[in-house]
Amino acid sequence: DIVMTQSPDSLAVSLGERATINCKSSQSVLYSSSNKNHLAWYQQRPGQPPKLLISWASTRESGVPDRFSGSGSGTDFTLTISSLQAEDVAVYYCQQYYSNIPTFGGGTKVEIK
Amino acid sequence: EVQLLESGGGLVQPGGSLRLSCAASGFSFSIYAMSWVRQAPGKGLEWVSTISGSGGGTYYADSVKGRFTISRDNSENTLSLQMNSLRAEDTAVYYCARTQWLSLYWYFDLWGRGTLVTVSS
Repeated sequence: DIVMTQSPDSLAVSLGERATINCKSSQSVLYSSSNKNHLAWYQQRPGQPPKLLISWASTRESGVPDRFSGSGSGTDFTLTISSLQAEDVAVYYCQQYYSNIPTFGGGTKVEIK
Repeated sequence: EVQLLESGGGLVQPGGSLRLSCAASGFSFSIYAMSWVRQAPGKGLEWVSTISGSGGGTYYADSVKGRFTISRDNSENTLSLQMNSLRAEDTAVYYCARTQWLSLYWYFDLWGRGTLVTVSS
């Protein structure tokens, strides 16, 4: 199975500041024939189910604020929140869909400093 | 409104069985693959099972293969998960998730609120 490793486990950021979350896969999730990275990001607010934020490593879902952006390729990916808002307090997960056994990272908890 | 609503969770003894259901509304259920994803208390997300839109293809995590069975009724817009031989490590919130199916790869674009399964004597 492809192992997804997120860092850090948690971070505290001041309102309006940037938050950066990293995700590393144990093998490349770049599909060569399409040149697309099979990587998604989810947000899980306290007491809520997960919500899809980004697919294909960098494509925001409809309705997701543009302060959320995804980047990276191959094995190294980043989710950036450009200006943290109170409603962004959550745990964020990456997920690979390169193999038919989808796997998630362990999560990164984002809090307000 | 597009939504998924799970039901059927509860307390069950080790070795027991439970059947989860998920009612879908607000979208064309039959054209989407559907999945179950679980989350143990205080832990991360774990994919459990996926079924194709027609129901003809089913896929399972090794941890539940042979014990769990996923099924769907497209006439009733419902997804089910039959769970047998339950173990303590199956304790989790079980989420129903609409699934973007890309050949044999998938991600999850809509989630229900989940139903808690507790396996304990």
